[in-house]
Amino acid sequence: AQSVAQPEDQVNVAEGNPLTVKCTYSVSGNPYLFWYVQYPNRGLQFLLKYITGDNLVKGSYGFEAEFNKSQTSFHLKKPSALVSDSALYFCAVRKSGGGGATNKLIFGTGTLLAVQP
Amino acid sequence: DTAVSQTPKYLVTQMGNDKSIKCEQNLGHDTMYWYKQDSKKFLKIMFSYNNKELIINETVPNRFSPKSPDKAHLNLHINSLELGDSAVYFCASSPIGGGLGKTTEAFFGQGTRLTVV
Repeated sequence: AQSVAQPEDQVNVAEGNPLTVKCTYSVSGNPYLFWYVQYPNRGLQFLLKYITGDNLVKGSYGFEAEFNKSQTSFHLKKPSALVSDSALYFCAVRKSGGGGATNKLIFGTGTLLAVQP
Repeated sequence: DTAVSQTPKYLVTQMGNDKSIKCEQNLGHDTMYWYKQDSKKFLKIMFSYNNKELIINETVPNRFSPKSPDKAHLNLHINSLELGDSAVYFCASSPIGGGLGKTTEAFFGQGTRLTVV
């Protein structure tokens, strides 16, 4: 069965400092991995994804994530945090390819990122 | 030109009532989902439809009945509402399969905040 773990409920970082939000996953076969962000009282916005190829993927708002197959991780990173980055971040996984039940997108429990000015 | 739209945005109702939430996507995706986000912000998949066919039903009480009149619409009807049904319900859509260079991510609606009193 697919699963995603986000070990930190909250990450605190000072503005201008680098940030990392951790994610590990479990899926049989090759994974498609995603990061989404949720601002208060809003829906989920797609940030970036890993499908195949280069392990470092870049996404919206200066975020990037590194896929590490041996550690089954997909940590979200940003070199310099902004106060406006403060939000709830979700990692998600689904199986690669196909349709049917393989399209099931499973989310982690979310990590609240708080960037202090 | 909202990609995934849900109505209503807020729904307050009494226990025992029956209510529906509507969802429409204009992205041409084949797959649509309903997710429930509880008070702790956990996101749990409820249902998934491919081209109007139910493919995922995550042991949701049968008081919840999704209906997909066509592949652009997935409505959620809830009978005999209970206090524990209070949550934010998100509709989403994604293409089937995918791969490098293809769209694989799911797009989410803004959510419907259901409050049962």
